[in-house]
Amino acid sequence: AQSVAQPEDQVNVAEGNPLTVKCTYSVSGNPYLFWYVQYPNRGLQFLLKYITGDNLVKGSYGFEAEFNKSQTSFHLKKPSALVSDSALYFCAVRDGRDSSYKLIFGSGTRLLVRP
Amino acid sequence: DTGVSQDPRHKITKRGQNVTFRCDPISEHNRLYWYRQTLGQGPEFLTYFQNEAQLEKSRLLSDRFSAERPKGSFSTLEIQRTEQGDSAMYLCASSTHDREGNNSPLHFGNGTRLTVT
Repeated sequence: AQSVAQPEDQVNVAEGNPLTVKCTYSVSGNPYLFWYVQYPNRGLQFLLKYITGDNLVKGSYGFEAEFNKSQTSFHLKKPSALVSDSALYFCAVRDGRDSSYKLIFGSGTRLLVRP
Repeated sequence: DTGVSQDPRHKITKRGQNVTFRCDPISEHNRLYWYRQTLGQGPEFLTYFQNEAQLEKSRLLSDRFSAERPKGSFSTLEIQRTEQGDSAMYLCASSTHDREGNNSPLHFGNGTRLTVT
């Protein structure tokens, strides 16, 4: 069975500082990994994905994530946080062998960037 | 491309009533997914369609829930005899899947928030 863990309910960071939002996963086959962001009363917006290739993937709004197979992690990072980055972030995984292509989501991490 | 559209945005109903939600996916997307999100949790998979065929249903989808995608375009999710535990945000997502096995990321709508009183 696939699962995703986001160990932090909330991450607080000052504007201009680097941010990291943690994610670990468990999947039987090859992992396809995703990050989404959700603003209040809105759906999820796609940020970035890892399918294969370089372990460091770059996405929207200056975000990037690093795939670490040995640690089964896919942490989201940004070198310099903005107040407007404050939102709810979800990590998701898909089993590469699952033909449904459905995503399994973590419970989310609230990012709060203070001015 | 107007994105995934869901209607209504909000629905308040009394326990025991039936409700139906609609999702219009991105026009060229052949896959459509329904998820449920409760407060403080991530979205949970309910079911998905490839074109008009419903190919998988989660165990979360009780007998009171039914989803259709009759012409492979829009989809409806109906909940019969609603219960207070059905209160949640219902999210629809769509994606496209080509013959080479490439799949676009899921594109989500803004959801329908259901409140059962």
